[in-house]
Amino acid sequence: EDQVTQSPEALRLQEGESSSLNCSYTVSGLRGLFWYRQDPGKGPEFLFTLYSAGEEKEKERLKATLTKKESFLHITAPKPEDSATYLCAARGRASKIIFGSGTRLSIRP
Amino acid sequence: DTGVSQNPRHKITKRGQNVTFRCDPISEHNRLYWYRQTLGQGPEFLTYFQNEAQLEKSRLLSDRFSAERPKGSFSTLEIQRTEQGDSAMYLCASSPPMAGTGGDTQYFGPGTRLTVL
Repeated sequence: EDQVTQSPEALRLQEGESSSLNCSYTVSGLRGLFWYRQDPGKGPEFLFTLYSAGEEKEKERLKATLTKKESFLHITAPKPEDSATYLCAARGRASKIIFGSGTRLSIRP
Repeated sequence: DTGVSQNPRHKITKRGQNVTFRCDPISEHNRLYWYRQTLGQGPEFLTYFQNEAQLEKSRLLSDRFSAERPKGSFSTLEIQRTEQGDSAMYLCASSPPMAGTGGDTQYFGPGTRLTVL
């Protein structure tokens, strides 16, 4: 069965303290690995799509990477406005995407 | 086009009542999805439309739930005889035709928060 697992569940960082969020997946015939940001009470906001192992994408302080079993979301020198829940999702051969439970990121000033 | 829109944003209802939510996808997107999200969890897939055809339904979608997408444009999700366990955020997402770049990416609306008393 397709599965996506994220760790840690929650992460508290000091402003400027870089770190990485992990997403492990078991999906048959991966057709996309997605990262979303979700603020409280809002819908997920699209960040990145990765398609193949070795692929990397960057946006401001965020960089997403992909291997055959995991994806990482690296955050460099985070600011308080980066505080949010970060969701990882994967699409296999089916149309639906499977989400992880998310990592709640909190950045202290 | 500013993105996927959903109405209402919030709905409070009493147990046993019927509720209906609407989703308007991004105009050129022919694929539309419904998800349900409870506190502290990621969204869970409910159903998927390609144009007006409902192609996939989750086992989570009991017979009290029905979704439509007439003419392949907007979609509605109806819950009959609501139960307290139906309280959740209901999210709609859309994606462009598969042949295009980024066809796998789903873009989400702001959601409808349902509270069943």
